[in-house]
Formats: sequence, structure tokens, C-alpha cells
Amino acid sequence: DGGITQSPKYLFRKEGQNVTLSCEQNLNHDAMYWYRQDPGQGLRLIYYSQIVNDFQKGDIAEGYSVSREKKESFPLTVTSAQKNPTAFYLCASSARQGVREQYFGPGTRLTVT
Amino acid sequence: GQNIDQPTEMTATEGAIVQINCTYQTSGFNGLFWYQQHAGEAPTFLSYNVLDGLEEKGRFSSFLSRSKGYSYLLLKELQMKDSASYLCAVRDSSNYQLIWGAGTKLIIKP
Repeated sequence: DGGITQSPKYLFRKEGQNVTLSCEQNLNHDAMYWYRQDPGQGLRLIYYSQIVNDFQKGDIAEGYSVSREKKESFPLTVTSAQKNPTAFYLCASSARQGVREQYFGPGTRLTVT
Repeated sequence: GQNIDQPTEMTATEGAIVQINCTYQTSGFNGLFWYQQHAGEAPTFLSYNVLDGLEEKGRFSSFLSRSKGYSYLLLKELQMKDSASYLCAVRDSSNYQLIWGAGTKLIIKP
């Protein structure tokens, strides 16, 4: 089955620690995205990548970092510099940027205390 | 500025019809998407409109008026499983990124 996987589903960390969220897709999509979802707000774009070894900042990139070393993988690191890291993180992909719909992974709920 | 507005919450009865509205103001327009999201799960794609008019897909239909900056999602023959949040998103033609509304939580009552 083709799709996007994110792991783990739930993640707990202490304040001051960096944490990396994984995102893998086997859809052969070029473009991948990371969003953050908070209650009462629309999805906000953190980073996106249109091609391997290239990525761009979204609207709320501060305190986050990404890499795109393989087409299938787009991990997100939430650093200690992120002021409010507790949120639901969604990874998505699309065949190419600007082409039709994005497909989403199941999400990772990160809680930082 | 860029803005997407949807009602926060709506309630409807099983078997009935409900219309969820979305209004938008964006610097550029390259299509409007509707997604369904059950609590704690991933959004799933429902529909895409880029030209004015109605797109029908089974029990779900979506309408777009670009001149009015307006779209609606119409759900017919409501089922309990339709209880979810419905997200409206507009693709900005300047950078092809999606601008998301906060979503409309739809509650279906028996």
C-alpha cells in the first residue's frame, strides 16, 4: 500500500531537548511538507521541499530544522529554540508542488513539559 | 492580507443536508481544496475547485465563485461517520502554497 508514515504517534519530551519526527512516503512524490496544527487555528506551514537536497522555510520555521537527503524521507527536528513546541505535527506530500492535492500522514502529537 | 473564514462549528441531523461555507481573501488564487479530518487523524482530500461552478462527487459537492471569493461544501444524506472537521484551503498562485482555514467542526445528531 502506498502512503505516508509518521512515527511515533505520540511523543513526550522534556523542555530543552531536541526531538526529531520522522516522515516517510512511498508515493514517489517530489514535494513534501511539514505542518503544525493547533486548536482553533488552520494548518501552518513549517518547511517544504520540492526536490531532494533542497528545502524552503514556511511561515513558522523558527525553532525547526529539516533535511531531505532521500526522496522518500523528510524528517523534522524540533529544537529547544521553539518556544511552544507542543502541537500536532502533520507531514504531507504531493506529486509536485502546485499539482493537485496533498496527501497527509497520520500525524505525531508532541508534548513538551 | 490573506484570510480564510469558515464557521467554527455546525450541527445537523442524520439523513439531512448541510452546507459549510468558506470565504477567502488571498493575493493570488490557484484553486480551492476541501479536506475532511476526524479528531486526531490526518486530513483526507475531498474536493478541488479551480473554475467557477459545482463539482459533484457522490454525497459531497463543492461550489466555487472566484469573483465572490466564496466556496461551499454540500453534504447530503448525512451519516454519523460524517462527524468531523472540514478544512477549506486556498492555493496561493504566487508560491503555490496552501492557506488553511481553521476548520468547521460538524456534529451529526441522530
